Amino acid sequence: GENVEQHPSTLSVQEGDSAVIKCTYSDSASNYFPWYKQELGKRPQLIIDIRSNVGEKKDQRIAVTLNKTAKHFSLHITETQPEDSAVYFCAALYSGSARQLTFGSGTQLTVLP
Amino acid sequence: NAGVTQTPKFQVLKTGQSMTLQCAQDMNHEYMSWYRQDPGMGLRLIHYSVGAGITDQGEVPNGYNVSRSTTEDFPLRLLSAAPSQTSVYFCASRPGQLYGYTFGSGTRLTVV
Repeated sequence: GENVEQHPSTLSVQEGDSAVIKCTYSDSASNYFPWYKQELGKRPQLIIDIRSNVGEKKDQRIAVTLNKTAKHFSLHITETQPEDSAVYFCAALYSGSARQLTFGSGTQLTVLP
Repeated sequence: NAGVTQTPKFQVLKTGQSMTLQCAQDMNHEYMSWYRQDPGMGLRLIHYSVGAGITDQGEVPNGYNVSRSTTEDFPLRLLSAAPSQTSVYFCASRPGQLYGYTFGSGTRLTVV
């Protein structure tokens, strides 16, 4: 069935270092992949997304890459700051009648000062 | 422009009680969904709608009902609350398929 695997589940980095979170999906027809950031006690917020007709998208310190052949996509955060500490969720839009987003299980990112 | 508004923010129910979680959006989005979030399990889809009068089940629909009489409103009804329904519930909307969700602030529900 529809499945999005997200790794790692927890990630600690030193301030200023880079962080990478990876997700794999199972439906080769998926064509939309958003990433969300959720701070403690808050709602998930969309931070970046990518559609299947591009391989990479950047927005300041964050970037997402997509490898359709391998069916995986990754979130890259450079020059991490303490305010980047949060849970990050990936998601994939599956084909079929539902056409709904399926989310990964999340990555707790901690940026150490 | 308030975005997606959910009420209440917190609720405690006794087992067997029923209640309705309210969700409204003012962005004229066609797509609306309800998710529940449990520790370590990410966001799981309960029910969704692709327009007024159209609803369908998601991954975990049992024990919940929805309706979509207007574009703006998408209430979630718990028919007979059970402790397994203790969770944080998020309503979300988006303008089309290839767009991300805007989430409401969530409802933290505890069933005792």
